[in-house]
Amino acid sequence: EPEVTQTPSHQVTQMGQEVILRCVPISNHLYFYWYRQILGQKVEFLVSFYNNEISEKSEIFDDQFSVERPDGSNFTLKIRSTKLEDSAMYFCASTWDSRSNQPQHFGDGTRLSIL
Amino acid sequence: AQKVTQAQTEISVVEKEDVTLDCVYETRDTTYYLFWYKQPPSGELVFLIRRNSFDEQNEISGRYSWNFQKSTSSFNFTITASQVVDSAVYFCALRRGETQGGSEKLVFGKGTKLTVNP
Repeated sequence: EPEVTQTPSHQVTQMGQEVILRCVPISNHLYFYWYRQILGQKVEFLVSFYNNEISEKSEIFDDQFSVERPDGSNFTLKIRSTKLEDSAMYFCASTWDSRSNQPQHFGDGTRLSIL
Repeated sequence: AQKVTQAQTEISVVEKEDVTLDCVYETRDTTYYLFWYKQPPSGELVFLIRRNSFDEQNEISGRYSWNFQKSTSSFNFTITASQVVDSAVYFCALRRGETQGGSEKLVFGKGTKLTVNP
């Protein structure tokens, strides 16, 4: 079964450094999302992306965050200057149709640890 | 505003017991969708089921069943004859319908950690 692939599985970065998290959505999917989960807490929406544009973002997704689809397969989340509170599990998700009854399929996540 | 409450933080059962995970949601929308996801110890999020607000029929899939009741704004999940492999964190999530502004984001509850002991 096709799946969403995220790399790396674990990223350790010094505070203030830039980090890029990578995702390869399911190949025929058109809508892409990033969520994060601080350890032991609930999963929170960050951003949705369609047709090379952000369609929605949360208040968490400030100017330090950006997303990009640099080619036909990858979907990236960049954090420009990381803070300790950015430590979390970051999940990429995708769906082929944005209609509400279509489930978002999630990747295995990238655990980001900021030192 | 949309909100999902999973009041049970942790549940521990012995294998073969039945267990019900509660989910209560809040929304002013008339059209919405509800989802359950499973997060095993390995960390990934696995889609289990979706239900739209117009369909209150209960659903059964093997040992899993879901009870959706609009009158109480609940979407509870029951595992029958639980197994050790069911041990995971289970998340309930809510999303607005297409006619309610088009937001695609899933609003998650805090999750219920289920431990099934042998």
